[in-house]
Amino acid sequence: DQQVKQNSPSLSVQEGRISILNCDYTNSMFDYFLWYKKYPAEGPTFLISISSIKDKNEDGRFTVFLNKSAKHLSLHIVPSQPGDSAVYFCAASNQGAQKLVFGQGTRLTINP
Amino acid sequence: NAGVTQTPKFRVLKTGQSMTLLCAQDMNHEYMYWYRQDPGMGLRLIHYSVGEGTTAKGEVPDGYNVSRLKKQNFLLGLESAAPSQTSVYFCASHTGTRASFGPGTRLTVT
Repeated sequence: DQQVKQNSPSLSVQEGRISILNCDYTNSMFDYFLWYKKYPAEGPTFLISISSIKDKNEDGRFTVFLNKSAKHLSLHIVPSQPGDSAVYFCAASNQGAQKLVFGQGTRLTINP
Repeated sequence: NAGVTQTPKFRVLKTGQSMTLLCAQDMNHEYMYWYRQDPGMGLRLIHYSVGEGTTAKGEVPDGYNVSRLKKQNFLLGLESAAPSQTSVYFCASHTGTRASFGPGTRLTVT
């Protein structure tokens, strides 16, 4: 039972263009969502998050959008840079339960 | 402030051997987690702890045991390793919202 799904295993984007990574969830009890970035041979690092009371959160080049009715969130990176090449994980939690559930990850490659 | 540390970084085991992975955090976080990462499977929760002396099962707990005797440490044990446990193991801790991850332990079971 995959509660958090990232249906695109990989994504390739030209440097300077927008990267859009998508994530779907099934559990309506989730109320907090996060994106993590992972480089090879390193642990995931926190990127950006959003609470279910908001529909958008922005931090520099990164924006996360949440559509609760569709149970869908997306991460926009504008403009994309070569250093953004990494695996991106979407995660969700029910703050009462304090468990983080992760998606399968999307490998983003930024081409020069 | 070292954050979350994991030992060892690499290990090769033979089928049936046992080992313990150690996770330590210096951020005074209540919650600690063990995940495994496998290709195409993302990060799957093995066990977690919501405080000293507590443990709970995650999505894939079979074949693993854990202990949280001290708030800063979370141990993951494999009693009888199997090739299916070949993976990269990540420990994480958090309080409130975001989690901080350790650098990972790459385990190979032959």
